Amino acid sequence: EPEVTQTPSHQVTQMGQEVILRCVPISNHLYFYWYRQILGQKVEFLVSFYNNEISEKSEIFDDQFSVERPDGSNFTLKIRSTKLEDSAMYFCATLAGGFTDTQYFGPGTRLTVL
Amino acid sequence: KQEVTQIPAALSVPEGENLVLNCSFTDSAIYNLQWFRQDPGKGLTSLLLIQSSQREQTSGRLNASLDKSSGRSTLYIAASQPGDSATYLCAVKDAGNNRKLIWGLGTSLAVNP
Repeated sequence: EPEVTQTPSHQVTQMGQEVILRCVPISNHLYFYWYRQILGQKVEFLVSFYNNEISEKSEIFDDQFSVERPDGSNFTLKIRSTKLEDSAMYFCATLAGGFTDTQYFGPGTRLTVL
Repeated sequence: KQEVTQIPAALSVPEGENLVLNCSFTDSAIYNLQWFRQDPGKGLTSLLLIQSSQREQTSGRLNASLDKSSGRSTLYIAASQPGDSATYLCAVKDAGNNRKLIWGLGTSLAVNP
């Protein structure tokens, strides 16, 4: 069964450093999402991406965050200057579109900012 | 602003018991509701999706119901097994938005052998 993959599984970085989290979506899916889950808190929507552009972003997704599909397959989330409060599990999700409404999630990347 | 609440926060039951997890949402104008399973340190697995026009969905020992007007959903797990131990998350998609999901905090379930 096709699945969403994410790399790395765990990233440790120093505050102020840039990190790039990578996601490989299911091949025929059209919509892409990033969510995050701070330990003990709710999963939060960050951004949605469709047709090579951001379609919606939350108030969390400020100028420190960016997303792109650099090669038409990988979907990346970049945090330019990490803060301690960026420590969280980051999930990528993809959606086929059309009449299908189930989002498929990757296993997540645990980001630890020291 | 849509808020999703799940009760109980944690539940511990003996194997074989039937159980019900609850999810409520503040704005009844939803497009659909999904139940997910999350194992410790792992990703999110979709269990059931109920469209706003539906009343329930079933998959194996799982049955999810939706009462949109009252802002409630329940996940019924029949004949629970130790392998069902996980956190169960409820998420709603608001009508009219860009398919993003709004999440509850989850119910942590432990099924004891």
